[in-house]
Amino acid sequence: RKEVEQDPGPFNVPEGATVAFNCTYSNSASQSFFWYRQDCRKEPKLLMSVYSSGNEDGRFTAQLNRASQYISLLIRDSKLSDSATYLCVVTNTNAGKSTFGDGTTLTVKP
Amino acid sequence: DTAVSQTPKYLVTQMGNDKSIKCEQNLGHDTMYWYKQDSKKFLKIMFSYNNKELIINETVPNRFSPKSPDKAHLNLHINSLELGDSAVYFCASSSQLEHNEQFFGPGTRLTVL
Repeated sequence: RKEVEQDPGPFNVPEGATVAFNCTYSNSASQSFFWYRQDCRKEPKLLMSVYSSGNEDGRFTAQLNRASQYISLLIRDSKLSDSATYLCVVTNTNAGKSTFGDGTTLTVKP
Repeated sequence: DTAVSQTPKYLVTQMGNDKSIKCEQNLGHDTMYWYKQDSKKFLKIMFSYNNKELIINETVPNRFSPKSPDKAHLNLHINSLELGDSAVYFCASSSQLEHNEQFFGPGTRLTVL
């Protein structure tokens, strides 16, 4: 079993749609969680951190469920510019190690 | 100002050659990483250095040798390049004081012919 597993995708949605990505992790010692976005032929960039209380940034909402060991990302009112690959990242701070999921590709169509 | 920079951006070389990729960060971070992203776009950690000390080595062939002359630099030297080494190599840095959020360089696209 992989340490971090993501929805395989790809997700193809129309503009304005709401789309959700899930990610599960196996190491219960993980302490920090993130969503990154990677555009084609570019480097990954931090989208948002994920906290147990949940956090929102505009159209994006991230949730963490420690009991079930999964994190989620919800994108509301999708824009064409949201098309990218979304990577979930799980960090074990004590070990100094971050594990990236394999990514989920989102394509938003007009 | 570029936070994490890598050189070169593109590298095309013959099998068997030795090459180096350089990385520098000006964020004052204490941890730096090398990742490999293959043709399937999977991003895999290779090495991690904290305050110039190696803390993670993820079963990478010993043809790959990282070197950290100081906290702001982490270079990657690759000996006897093989076709399977073709990939995009990303450098990244982070700080425990900033919740280990990683900042990535633009990547080095290595092609081995």
